[in-house]
Amino acid sequence: SQQGEEDPQALSIQEGENATMNCSYKTSINNLQWYRQNSGRGLVHLILIRSNEREKHSGRLRVTLDTSKKSSSLLITASRAADTASYFCATDATASSGDKLTFGTGTRLAVRP
Amino acid sequence: NAGVTQTPKFQVLKTGQSMTLQCAQDMNHEYMSWYRQDPGMGLRLIHYSVGAGITDQGEVPNGYNVSRSTTEDFPLRLLSAAPSQTSVYFCASSKYGPPLLREQYFGPGTRLTVT
Repeated sequence: SQQGEEDPQALSIQEGENATMNCSYKTSINNLQWYRQNSGRGLVHLILIRSNEREKHSGRLRVTLDTSKKSSSLLITASRAADTASYFCATDATASSGDKLTFGTGTRLAVRP
Repeated sequence: NAGVTQTPKFQVLKTGQSMTLQCAQDMNHEYMSWYRQDPGMGLRLIHYSVGAGITDQGEVPNGYNVSRSTTEDFPLRLLSAAPSQTSVYFCASSKYGPPLLREQYFGPGTRLTVT
């Protein structure tokens, strides 16, 4: 079963608006990562947040982590058409799952010019 | 650096055929992994390796074999292809695996169709 689940599954916004997508997971984690995938391409790493961090910024990206709710959010501010892609969260769970990184099902973001 | 390379980019197999998907990285990464991506399913881990000579199963290992004889290469073998293995396959690498995991670098993918 998937460790991470993104919400919403699809999101369509106007250029310049902010986009927020959420990730929920089931078990305790060491860290959580967000990746972007452009159509037909491999995934590209965006940001990593550790379990003892609550917020992290990278350019127009802002990630929050709430370990008590087992959830994370990715905010893209001032979106551009080039942000159109699928976004995935990935977690490495502690202990029982071993040395594995588990991906969610993704959020498809469409930014309209 | 070339990063993570995968060959072939596209492949069509008949049911029952075998083949090897190649993956190589030139970043001296210890951790390598194979995922398959199906519509609506996200990425699912097939096999992974934390270093040369060490491999382990992921979420969906049945029908696939791996080996890691060198740090650079991590081939994925389909033993007897089935239509259910039609998918896009991604190889990824990272300097270390969990719990020291940093960002993973992904290859461009191999699109496999089994008829």
